[in-house]
Amino acid sequence: NAGVTQTPKFQVLKTGQSMTLQCAQDMNHNSMYWYRQDPGMGLRLIYYSASEGTTDKGEVPNGYNVSRLNKREFSLRLESAAPSQTSVYFCASRWLAGGGGELFFGEGSRLTVL
Amino acid sequence: QKEVEQNSGPLSVPEGAIASLNCTYSDRGSQSFFWYRQYSGKSPELIMFIYSNGDKEDGRFTAQLNKASQYVSLLIRDSQPSDSATYLCAVKGSGNTGKLIFGQGTTLQVKP
Repeated sequence: NAGVTQTPKFQVLKTGQSMTLQCAQDMNHNSMYWYRQDPGMGLRLIYYSASEGTTDKGEVPNGYNVSRLNKREFSLRLESAAPSQTSVYFCASRWLAGGGGELFFGEGSRLTVL
Repeated sequence: QKEVEQNSGPLSVPEGAIASLNCTYSDRGSQSFFWYRQYSGKSPELIMFIYSNGDKEDGRFTAQLNKASQYVSLLIRDSQPSDSATYLCAVKGSGNTGKLIFGQGTTLQVKP
């Protein structure tokens, strides 16, 4: 049972390059989330999708776009990477947005922008 | 003011002691409260969640919630070196988005 799978796990980009982080979950969860984690900053929400077909901005959306491709997949795109986007990115999912329940995390994607 | 605040630490306790981790939040309509543990280089994993005022115990862990004071805490009894990690407080606010807002995390060091 894979849970939440993120690819790639590591990536180095040059300033101005673009890339997409992929996330897929096999738990039939309705809601999916992208967070970034920087030292001393905890986890900050970038974008989320409360249900298939919807996406909304989180705390730090600037410089990112997302696509909820289907119920399983939620991708995060950096159109023109900047050094400030160097971070660890976590994708997460949960069964239902409005209810309680655990947020399950992927293993993270470490991105370095030079 | 951050929506969810924690003391970043590090909090250092001797093995066998009680570790007390604290968290305050600003949204009075917040509904659910979570404690995640994160080992260095790993993803967060859920330890406990609490919805109602009072205490909730699970093994060596006790979560405490006081909605009037907008305060949630985690007590770890009989702390072990394996408890050394960063502990993240997360709050689910009002509304149906399901998004969790995290504090910056408290680093706990348990010394043998």
